[in-house]
Amino acid sequence: GESVGLHLPTLSVQEGDNSIINCAYSNSASDYFIWYKQESGKGPQFIIDIRSNMDKRQGQRVTVLLNKTVKHLSLQIAATQPGDSAVYFCAEVTSGTYKYIFGTGTRLKVLA
Amino acid sequence: ETGVTQSPTHLIKTRGQQVTLRCSSQSGHNTVSWYQQALGQGPQFIFQYYREEENGRGNFPPRFSGLQFPNYSSELNVNALELDDSALYLCASSLEPGDGYTFGSGTRLTVV
Repeated sequence: GESVGLHLPTLSVQEGDNSIINCAYSNSASDYFIWYKQESGKGPQFIIDIRSNMDKRQGQRVTVLLNKTVKHLSLQIAATQPGDSAVYFCAEVTSGTYKYIFGTGTRLKVLA
Repeated sequence: ETGVTQSPTHLIKTRGQQVTLRCSSQSGHNTVSWYQQALGQGPQFIFQYYREEENGRGNFPPRFSGLQFPNYSSELNVNALELDDSALYLCASSLEPGDGYTFGSGTRLTVV
């Protein structure tokens, strides 16, 4: 399939280790944030979201942290698996608008 | 429950031609958004349709236009194709505007 993000920043982690992917967002008025995973040849797949009235949210093996003071979002993946290899995008949304503003993406490579 | 389906999966067009891309929303979703994803970048918002009306638009010229049908399926039309229009075009549906998206796998358009 087609490659997504040939020149993206790359994070390489050992299988079983934890991964942390970071994202800086641009609009202090954004109040909804989402992390997506995109595998080659596929559309973005929802991972986890967080509203601006929270600073942490946990899912299955994933945690999102939001720091509104410095406009920073992070995605933590516990016990990273080969199937986690993909490009990860953060997206920000401002209430009353309908568009998601996506970051540039980070490629996660899981080493066996 | 079916997801979002897009057709065709791949397409090659000549500069100056016109193209129509199609999208079937996830069952029960009345909102459709279209995004353009150039290689190595995050998706960029083109526009959104809600109940057959355009509901928001990104920074794309008027030669990018769309339609939403009574069954909530949608088309993206691009006139006077340019080389820079080569990209992955993603359709996403949601229950209502502002709700979380479900993305399709996209149409890879190549303009030569």
